[in-house]
Amino acid sequence: DAGITQSPRHKVTETGTPVTLRCHQTENHRYMYWYRQDPGHGLRLIHYSYGVKDTDKGEVSDGYSVSRSKTEDFLLTLESATSSQTSVYFCAISEGVRENYGYTFGSGTRLTVV
Amino acid sequence: SQQGEEDPQALSIQEGENATMNCSYKTSINNLQWYRQNSGRGLVHLILIRSNEREKHSGRLRVTLDTSKKSSSLLITASRAADTASYFCATVRIMDSNYQLIWGAGTKLIIKP
Repeated sequence: DAGITQSPRHKVTETGTPVTLRCHQTENHRYMYWYRQDPGHGLRLIHYSYGVKDTDKGEVSDGYSVSRSKTEDFLLTLESATSSQTSVYFCAISEGVRENYGYTFGSGTRLTVV
Repeated sequence: SQQGEEDPQALSIQEGENATMNCSYKTSINNLQWYRQNSGRGLVHLILIRSNEREKHSGRLRVTLDTSKKSSSLLITASRAADTASYFCATVRIMDSNYQLIWGAGTKLIIKP
């Protein structure tokens, strides 16, 4: 997962507390994404960013917010964590959205909300 | 909703055998991508095949795309224990300014030594 790191790798938090996950890239890629991965659902897009301060919602954005103040950092915040947000969260980056680009993924953050 | 559907959901074969996984989709696409995910790790990009390509190779991997049947296959030849992982297809569709990347639920591949 060279060029993209997620922190923390594991987190246990209580229901109702705020949680922020961080994604950091050193590739200077324009596009960054947050996904969650749950058994039986595959990968689902939460939010994505197409530039500094430019973000948009994905298919499962309720309960999540994001911020991108620098090219290299993309933060995912759970304002008030719920048990349904227990999941593995992946950040991904890509150079662009034209058809020749694949994604590079981080190693994931396993979040447990108790 | 998930457009890509991998088939089978799970596959267990002996080391040295070939493994074939399939992906079907419903709408027209611009390209299709295959990824591998080892247990507890992120996804790793394997191959991207464009809609105007029919076959692509990378080492022991061969990907085919049949747009008339809206399906793709990933063949891993001479499998190794290290190929044990989950494999995902993702379809990319670009319409006007809209870009969609849709993931399948994956095929879990186990290579028995």
